[in-house]
Amino acid sequence: DIVLTQSPDSLAVSLGERATINCKSSQSLLYRSNNKIYLAWYQQKPGQPPKLLIYWASTRDSGVPDRFSGSGSGTEFTLTISGLQAEDVAVYYCQQYYSTSYTFGQGTKLEIK
Amino acid sequence: EVQLLESGGGLVQPGGSLRLSCAASEFTFSNYAMTWVRQVPGKGLEWVSAISASGVNTYYAESVKGRFTISRDNSKNTLHLQMNSLRAEDTAVYYCAKGIVGGYPYYFDYWGQGTLVTVSS
Repeated sequence: DIVLTQSPDSLAVSLGERATINCKSSQSLLYRSNNKIYLAWYQQKPGQPPKLLIYWASTRDSGVPDRFSGSGSGTEFTLTISGLQAEDVAVYYCQQYYSTSYTFGQGTKLEIK
Repeated sequence: EVQLLESGGGLVQPGGSLRLSCAASEFTFSNYAMTWVRQVPGKGLEWVSAISASGVNTYYAESVKGRFTISRDNSKNTLHLQMNSLRAEDTAVYYCAKGIVGGYPYYFDYWGQGTLVTVSS
């Protein structure tokens, strides 16, 4: 299975500041035939199901604020939240769909400093 | 708005069976692959199984292969997960989620609220 390792496990950021969450894959998630990266990011707030934020590594889902952005290539990826707001407190997960055996990162808990 | 409503969770003894269902509405269910993802309370997400829109192709995590069976009834807009030979480590909240195309879920754009399965004697 493809292993996704997120860092850090937890993060405390001041309101209005930038939060950066990393996701490293054990193998490339770039599918060369279509030049797409098979990685998504989700946000999960307490007591709620996950919510899709980003797909194809950098495409924001409909309705997702533009302070959320995804980047990266090959095996290393980043979710950036610019201008942290109180409602962004959540656990964030990356997920690969390159392999039919889908896997998630272990999650990164984001809190307000 | 897409709606996914899971049911069928509960308490079951080790070695027992349980069948989860997910009722889908407000989208053309038969056009989309679907998936089950589980989460031990307080822990991370684990993909369990997926099925293509037609139901022909199914995919399983190694941890459940041979014990769980995913199926769908497109005439009733319902997804199922038959869970046999349940173990304590299968205890989790089970979410159904919608894929973005028919053949292969890729990522999951809508999720249900989940149903709790507890395997304990």
